[in-house]
Amino acid sequence: DAGITQSPRYKITETGRQVTLMCHQTWSHSYMFWYRQDLGHGLRLIYYSAAADITDKGEVPDGYVVSRSKTENFPLTLESATRSQTSVYFCASTEGADTSTDTQYFGPGTRLTVL
Amino acid sequence: GEDVEQSLFLSVREGDSSVINCTYTDSSSTYLYWYKQEPGAGLQLLTYIFSNMDMKQDQRLTVLLNKKDKHLSLRIADTQTGDSAIYFCAESGPPNRDDKIIFGKGTRLHILP
Repeated sequence: DAGITQSPRYKITETGRQVTLMCHQTWSHSYMFWYRQDLGHGLRLIYYSAAADITDKGEVPDGYVVSRSKTENFPLTLESATRSQTSVYFCASTEGADTSTDTQYFGPGTRLTVL
Repeated sequence: GEDVEQSLFLSVREGDSSVINCTYTDSSSTYLYWYKQEPGAGLQLLTYIFSNMDMKQDQRLTVLLNKKDKHLSLRIADTQTGDSAIYFCAESGPPNRDDKIIFGKGTRLHILP
């Protein structure tokens, strides 16, 4: 499928388990981002990547790990899930580097529930 | 209220010029600042400009101020790997504005080889 996809779309896990959320884009965009969306907070940036093997922390990186071995994939791992990580996670990508002018394309989101 | 906006990211190739832009809302802003934060370090004041100036140059750094549009920019000539950092735009108003300095959220500058 062309575009940006996320898997799984829904996930229920237990506290302490490791969970990996996948994100794949077919445009070869340089930049990819992971956000979480929670009531009262809007979108908050977790991690982003400027290119393959280049990643950097966003606003709320604690408890998350990312990797970018290939340009098209940007997996987000919760190494030991906590209830506070229950959220909707959005992946996004953009070709350009100036976020004031370049359009970000969002995936459909993954709804994660940690019991 | 007062607000300062800037892009979150910027990538440039080593040797090219970097231009980081900033807009602010308070027309009574008196001083405008650029700070640099390197990984694991605090804020370092790079340069500042008084509101009655429209340009200030300091070695590789050039600050341009368009007071009418409330737009401030920082140009770094011949960008080097050591310039990789987060750059914060900030402004302060006249003394009757409680001497607050209002910061933007920072622009993360990546240097590509």
